Amino acid sequence: DAKTTQPTSMDCAEGRAANLPCNHSTISGNEYVYWYRQIHSQGPQYIIHGLKNNETNEMASLIITEDRKSSTLILPHATLRDTAVYYCIVRVPYGGSQGNLIFGKGTKLSVKP
Amino acid sequence: NAGVTQTPKFQVLKTGQSMTLQCAQDMNHEYMSWYRQDPGMGLRLIHYSVGAGITDQGEVPNGYNVSRSTTEDFPLRLLSAAPSQTSVYFCASRETVVSGNTIYFGEGSWLTVV
Repeated sequence: DAKTTQPTSMDCAEGRAANLPCNHSTISGNEYVYWYRQIHSQGPQYIIHGLKNNETNEMASLIITEDRKSSTLILPHATLRDTAVYYCIVRVPYGGSQGNLIFGKGTKLSVKP
Repeated sequence: NAGVTQTPKFQVLKTGQSMTLQCAQDMNHEYMSWYRQDPGMGLRLIHYSVGAGITDQGEVPNGYNVSRSTTEDFPLRLLSAAPSQTSVYFCASRETVVSGNTIYFGEGSWLTVV
């Protein structure tokens, strides 16, 4: 089973920041938090990942709480093309079955004009 | 650099027929895997491989076979297709030993079993 809990759906106004929460209260010390998104029925696309420090790249920012039991993905200026299902996944970042991605149902983000 | 390539993109099968979904990657990744996605659901792991000659079962392996004779290819075989196997199938690959490695997905193969 997925180790994360996410809201089923969220709306965001175009141009505003989208903040997607994720709970992972049973995360282990060696597990990273990964975010992927899936637009329409395309293959999932990697967004960002982190261990315990906040991370930022050209797509998004990831804020992880100090106790690592929850995190928030931030899309700073959402566009209509960011409408997608967003998956929060915890996993170890190396080989074997421990490194498998286990998907939940994700959050359906709808960006509205 | 093509990444992860899946073929065919669309396929219709009759119940009981067999077929193979092809997956190839050109990134020299050791790890490859197959997922299926049913309507309104997240992806579920079918089989995975951590290197040539090594395969293992995921969450929903029944009705599917895999083999890994080369690093590049990881075909998924349906021996006797059933309507319950109607789904979208995604292949994925990644490095295994690099910390924080990213998993790359193919564009999907839409399979309908009638």
